Amino acid sequence: GAGVSQTPSNKVTEKGKYVELRCDPISGHTALYWYRQSLGQGPEFLIYFQGTGAADDSGLPNDRFFAVRPEGSVSTLKIQRTERGDSAVYLCASSSSGGYGNTIYFGEGSWLTVV
Amino acid sequence: AQKVTQAQTEISVVEKEDVTLDCVYETRDTTYYLFWYKQPPSGELVFLIRRNSFDEQNEISGRYSWNFQKSTSSFNFTITASQVVDSAVYFCALSEITGANSKLTFGKGITLSVRP
Repeated sequence: GAGVSQTPSNKVTEKGKYVELRCDPISGHTALYWYRQSLGQGPEFLIYFQGTGAADDSGLPNDRFFAVRPEGSVSTLKIQRTERGDSAVYLCASSSSGGYGNTIYFGEGSWLTVV
Repeated sequence: AQKVTQAQTEISVVEKEDVTLDCVYETRDTTYYLFWYKQPPSGELVFLIRRNSFDEQNEISGRYSWNFQKSTSSFNFTITASQVVDSAVYFCALSEITGANSKLTFGKGITLSVRP
């Protein structure tokens, strides 16, 4: 597609449930990022993929969060045993390569609400 | 550690007024990139500009202009003759050198409201 596509756009889940958020990057982009944005805050880095591998997962808050990108294109962010504090917008982004300073293009985000 | 400060949280102007959004950053890197993004109510972050730390020339794009002052670590954004469609949250961001990836550190954003 023309831009970064994320599904679902909205997700309401109960505390303790498992959630998957999907991201389809811009065609041909090798670098993929996940960010999390809480209300009234700027986006915060979670994880970066170069191709299929997670090159930097230093932003993942704990081991309940995991992400994969098995074929180097679509990525899935997985959250286990969700907590109310996980409620946020999860933004996916991609760039043509992972090179330093490259412009990153964002999707519209997946709004996650944990009740 | 990298830090981006957007001290203004909310700005309200009347259409056709000029408005400047401030951004101050902190970094130990000598080479870095600065960005501005716009986030309309739809939620998508829209890329506006990228600036290399070696290029201090001001830039103008239509009604938008950017003033990069390395001496004061500022990268301010001015909208001339604002329009209602400019209403959005604006983020300034700094690109960090970590294993050559473009990890961004964002400020908290400035909510701009342009009234007709």
